[in-house]
Amino acid sequence: SQELEQSPQSLIVQEGKNLTINCTSSKTLYGLYWYKQKYGEGLIFLMMLQKGGEEKSHEKITAKLDEKKQQSSLHITASQPSHAGIYLCGADGGAQKLVFGQGTRLTINP
Amino acid sequence: NAGVTQTPKFQVLKTGQSMTLQCAQDMNHEYMSWYRQDPGMGLRLIHYSVGAGITDQGEVPNGYNVSRSTTEDFPLRLLSAAPSQTSVYFCASSKQGPQSNQPQHFGDGTRLSIL
Repeated sequence: SQELEQSPQSLIVQEGKNLTINCTSSKTLYGLYWYKQKYGEGLIFLMMLQKGGEEKSHEKITAKLDEKKQQSSLHITASQPSHAGIYLCGADGGAQKLVFGQGTRLTINP
Repeated sequence: NAGVTQTPKFQVLKTGQSMTLQCAQDMNHEYMSWYRQDPGMGLRLIHYSVGAGITDQGEVPNGYNVSRSTTEDFPLRLLSAAPSQTSVYFCASSKQGPQSNQPQHFGDGTRLSIL
């Protein structure tokens, strides 16, 4: 079965700094989702990548899918306190099942 | 639209008790699923349904039952609660299953503690 590994598991950055979160799959990625979760709340859909090399941006968050590396990266530019939370990647695990990475907890220090 | 609604938001149970976590969606989505979220383990799929009358097991189904009598509702039943079931439970729905590349919509979660 497909497994997703996120790195780092935890990240603390100073406000205004850039950061990158990676999601690596054990199998070929045919599509990948990125979600954000604020503490104590549900998951909010950020973006979906469907093709190798595809790159999408939403405000200061950019995600890219590298099919050859079976990896996706999420990059935040000029981080703000509102970016703090848990970021999760998810992918089709086959047989109508969605699998998730273990999450990356992002803390933004003022 | 309310989206995906989960009730209750918090619950404390004693070991051996049973209860039902409710999940309803008003988006006419065919695919619904239940996950549990534990520290350091991300989201793990418990059960899912591709439409009314059809359910199947996910990664961690033991100790849980589901049914899907209507398109809107997908309740999760704990048969005999155990401390290992202490977790945050999320319900999600999408128009079709993950292979359709459609994002899932999540409820706000139910925080369950088993004493």
